[in-house]
Amino acid sequence: DAGVTQSPTHLIKTRGQQVTLRCSPKSGHDTVSWYQQALGQGPQFIFQYYEEEERQRGNFPDRFSGHQFPNYSSELNVNALLLGDSALYLCASSLGLAEIYNEQFFGPGTRLTVL
Amino acid sequence: DQQVKQNSPSLSVQEGRISILNCDYTNSMFDYFLWYKKYPAEGPTFLISISSIKDKNEDGRFTVFLNKSAKHLSLHIVPSQPGDSAVYFCAATPPDTGNQFYFGTGTSLTVIP
Repeated sequence: DAGVTQSPTHLIKTRGQQVTLRCSPKSGHDTVSWYQQALGQGPQFIFQYYEEEERQRGNFPDRFSGHQFPNYSSELNVNALLLGDSALYLCASSLGLAEIYNEQFFGPGTRLTVL
Repeated sequence: DQQVKQNSPSLSVQEGRISILNCDYTNSMFDYFLWYKKYPAEGPTFLISISSIKDKNEDGRFTVFLNKSAKHLSLHIVPSQPGDSAVYFCAATPPDTGNQFYFGTGTSLTVIP
């Protein structure tokens, strides 16, 4: 049973560019959340997708956008990259929206470096 | 605004002894708390959780204690093993937010053989 997979593993971009990160959830999971983990910090919630719609959003600007596909995989897009966007981007999958709290399974992350 | 805080960036413990990791939070609306463990080059993995209606939850060597009046939770690992060496994050969520978790900054635990 494949867990959460993310691609690419590492990425280097320059300021002003755009980037797309990809996530495939754990088999059977239908909900995908994205987190940004800056160096020395804990993961910060960006947004969550369920049924191809953004359901929850953290305190991130509109430069951060996402998409969920019918197969539940997801993309995170960041436009107009800033140096401060350099971070580890984590994808987490779970089953359903939480009326009860559902365990999230995290992928290994994509390390984005903005020069 | 850091709503979940882990004030100890690192902790070293001898193998076989108890490891105690601490976490404080500011949002009284949080009603569910978790601990995650993270090895280098891997994503965080779920370790143990506790609901705000409880003050203790135990799973094998791991016990989480919740003190709601102090807005404090702790993770006890007894006995500590070298394989427990990792970064530990506490996380919390308020109700009706669809698994939107707020994470602390992490504590790096080193268990010395």
